[in-house]
Amino acid sequence: DTGVSQDPRHKITKRGQNVTFRCDPISEHNRLYWYRQTLGQGPEFLTYFQNEAQLEKSRLLSDRFSAERPKGSFSTLEIQRTEQGDSAMYLCASSNRAGGQGTQYFGPGTRLLVL
Amino acid sequence: AQKVTQAQTEISVVEKEDVTLDCVYETRDTTYYLFWYKQPPSGELVFLIRRNSFDEQNEISGRYSWNFQKSTSSFNFTITASQVVDSAVYFCALSENTGRRALTFGSGTRLQVQP
Repeated sequence: DTGVSQDPRHKITKRGQNVTFRCDPISEHNRLYWYRQTLGQGPEFLTYFQNEAQLEKSRLLSDRFSAERPKGSFSTLEIQRTEQGDSAMYLCASSNRAGGQGTQYFGPGTRLLVL
Repeated sequence: AQKVTQAQTEISVVEKEDVTLDCVYETRDTTYYLFWYKQPPSGELVFLIRRNSFDEQNEISGRYSWNFQKSTSSFNFTITASQVVDSAVYFCALSENTGRRALTFGSGTRLQVQP
């Protein structure tokens, strides 16, 4: 049974550059979530997909952030014109039911450092 | 608005001691779900337990046990006979049945088990 995978695991970039992260959910899961975690804090919700539809976006998701899930399988999260404040761990999770009715299983995360 | 509070920032115990991690939550929903996740140094969030608001039975899984009390809005986690491998950050999380479907996490409790 393959879990949630994320790529890359680490990314170092310079301020102002664009970065894109990929998440592959558990194959039978139609719900996919993105979270951001900064040092010493719990993960914070960014956005949520059911199949290919993006159903919810957090106020944390500024205009520089965009997420897609074009075929309802893998998802990408892009950050444009990165800022030092974007440095964080970006976590992806998937589930097979909405909200708390389905357990969210997390990937290993992508750790972003913006210099 | 939903909120999860983990007041204990860091706990240090000696191996074989019992330890309880506290979690207090706030929600307006009558139906909600509570979770505990473990985050070892590798960074991946590992699911431990999910409990819905209608099930107040305590649960035991090996050395782990959970105490859910709606009257005090608490969902505490106890590790019996702690081991060095239990060293990690533990997060409590809440998901409501309506509105936001994502998880709201507490800030986590770092547990250090000394040999």
